[in-house]
Amino acid sequence: EAGVAQSPRYKIIEKRQSVAFWCNPISGHATLYWYQQILGQGPKLLIQFQNNGVVDDSQLPKDRFSAERLKGVDSTLKIQPAKLEDSAVYLCASSQGASSTDTQYFGPGTRLTVL
Amino acid sequence: AQSVTQLDSQVPVFEDAPVELRCNYSSSVSVYLFWYVQYPNQGLQLLLKYLSGSTLVKGINGFEAEFNKSQTSFHLRKPSVHISDTAEYFCAVGRMDSSYKLIFGSGTRLLVRP
Repeated sequence: EAGVAQSPRYKIIEKRQSVAFWCNPISGHATLYWYQQILGQGPKLLIQFQNNGVVDDSQLPKDRFSAERLKGVDSTLKIQPAKLEDSAVYLCASSQGASSTDTQYFGPGTRLTVL
Repeated sequence: AQSVTQLDSQVPVFEDAPVELRCNYSSSVSVYLFWYVQYPNQGLQLLLKYLSGSTLVKGINGFEAEFNKSQTSFHLRKPSVHISDTAEYFCAVGRMDSSYKLIFGSGTRLLVRP
């Protein structure tokens, strides 16, 4: 079974530029998550999708971050414009269901450096 | 609101020695508890989880954890570590109600030395 795929693996941009990350979840998984992991901290949930609908985006900085999951499969996370404090690893995860008991499977992440 | 505390940012240990990684949580409702491992340049992988039943939970790679409700702890243990166990370990909690969100601790880096 293929795991969660993410691209790119690394991205370096200058502040005020825009960037987009892509995630392909495990086939059949209805729930998709985007996490931000700042160096030295645990992952923080940015947004959760159930199929193609948003379940929770309460911690997504909506003035600069946006995410979509068209057709309930792949998802993209965009930052525009980027700030220095956005430097982090962005992790995508998926699970079969939406309960906290459902195992979340994580991708390798995209490491973003904002200069 | 829930919170998770991993007091040890780094734990050095020699190969074949036992190890315990500590996790304490606070929550106004009952919780589910998880331990995830993150190897360098990889995503997180579930080690084990406590949902209900026996308070001693066994996971992959020889790890186990014990849920202690009175002390609000969920410490991770392994009787004999290998070099390959060197990684970052994250404790997480999820609410036992309709909420789905996982709250992660800040992580503990396990460094196994030969």
